[in-house]
Amino acid sequence: KNQVEQSPQSLIILEGKNCTLQCNYTVSPFSNLRWYKQDTGRGPVSLTIMTFSENTKSNGRYTATLDADTKQSSLHITASQLSDSASYICVVSEGTSGTYKYIFGTGTRLKVLA
Amino acid sequence: DAGVIQSPRHEVTEMGQEVTLRCKPISGHNSLFWYRQTMMRGLELLIYFNNNVPIDDSGMPEDRFSAKMPNASFSTLKIQPSEPRDSAVYFCASSSTAPGNEQYFGPGTRLTVT
Repeated sequence: KNQVEQSPQSLIILEGKNCTLQCNYTVSPFSNLRWYKQDTGRGPVSLTIMTFSENTKSNGRYTATLDADTKQSSLHITASQLSDSASYICVVSEGTSGTYKYIFGTGTRLKVLA
Repeated sequence: DAGVIQSPRHEVTEMGQEVTLRCKPISGHNSLFWYRQTMMRGLELLIYFNNNVPIDDSGMPEDRFSAKMPNASFSTLKIQPSEPRDSAVYFCASSSTAPGNEQYFGPGTRLTVT
């Protein structure tokens, strides 16, 4: 069964600290992996996208990694800010469907405290 | 571009009533998606349209749910009759159909059925 699991479920850190969120998937065949940020009361917004051949992608203070062999991804946030408080969702596209079929993780809720 | 537009943003209704959610996709996008998000199950695809035609409705939970896309700029999701377990946030997303293209999410409609 195609699944995406994320850990931790929730995380609290102090402003300025770094953190790493984890994503494990069993989606096959794999097409690509995205990390989305969802602010409270808003729709998800894409941060990064990685295909099979890419093992790292950065977007400002956000850096995503992908290990296609172990089917694991991580999202590293550097020098966290209060505005990073949000849910972060790992999304894997299944490869047989023309990439429209997103398999979503249940997200990690990050709270950054001043 | 204003992005994906959804209305209403909030809907509170009584069990048994009909509910209609509306979506205007990004101009030029020819794929449209309806999702439901709950704390327990995260984001789930309900239905996918391509060029106004329903392609995958396997996620529609039961006959009480129906979706239409009469033209490229408008879609509705209807629940009739509504039940308390339908309470969730419903998102509409759109994308172009180039391989791997990103889905852009609307702000969501928070539905509460009492």
